[in-house]
Amino acid sequence: AQSVAQPEDQVNVAEGNPLTVKCTYSVSGNPYLFWYVQYPNRGLQFLLKYITGDNLVKGSYGFEAEFNKSQTSFHLKKPSALVSDSALYFCAVRSGNTGKLIFGQGTTLQVKP
Amino acid sequence: NAGVTQTPKFRILKIGQSMTLQCTQDMNHNYMYWYRQDPGMGLKLIYYSVGAGITDKGEVPNGYNVSRSTTEDFPLRLELAAPSQTSVYFCASSYYERETQYFGPGTRLLVL
Repeated sequence: AQSVAQPEDQVNVAEGNPLTVKCTYSVSGNPYLFWYVQYPNRGLQFLLKYITGDNLVKGSYGFEAEFNKSQTSFHLKKPSALVSDSALYFCAVRSGNTGKLIFGQGTTLQVKP
Repeated sequence: NAGVTQTPKFRILKIGQSMTLQCTQDMNHNYMYWYRQDPGMGLKLIYYSVGAGITDKGEVPNGYNVSRSTTEDFPLRLELAAPSQTSVYFCASSYYERETQYFGPGTRLLVL
């Protein structure tokens, strides 16, 4: 069965420090991986995706993610965190040929000034 | 473009009542999806549609129904509301299955 795991419920970082939000996946076949961000009382906003090609994917708002096939991971990263990055982050993997997404449980990122 | 819109934003239902959650997209997307979000559980797929007239069940379809008579609209129907359906509901759409899904702002539903 296809699945996504986000092992950390919450990540705390200081503003200006690098951040990493972890994601591991389990799929049959080639993975199509996504990161979304959710601000309070808002819908999900797309950050970036990996379909194929370079293992380092660049996305919106300075975020990037590194695809590692051997470790089945797709960690979200940013070199310098902003207080405004504080939000709930979801990793997701596409399941099958119908576009269905399997989501991780989400990781709350707290960036403190 | 307005993108994906959902109405209402918030609703309180009594047990046994019914309601329809509306979802409309103006991006001419073929694929549409309904998810529910529960705290600490991520999002779970309820139903999806690959085009007008075609719908199929997701992970958690029980207690819900959908229809897709037009490309733009994908309403979600709750027939007999139960407390377990208290959740935040998100509609999403994409052009094709490999494309990025774009989400609406959500409907918060409370069943008492």
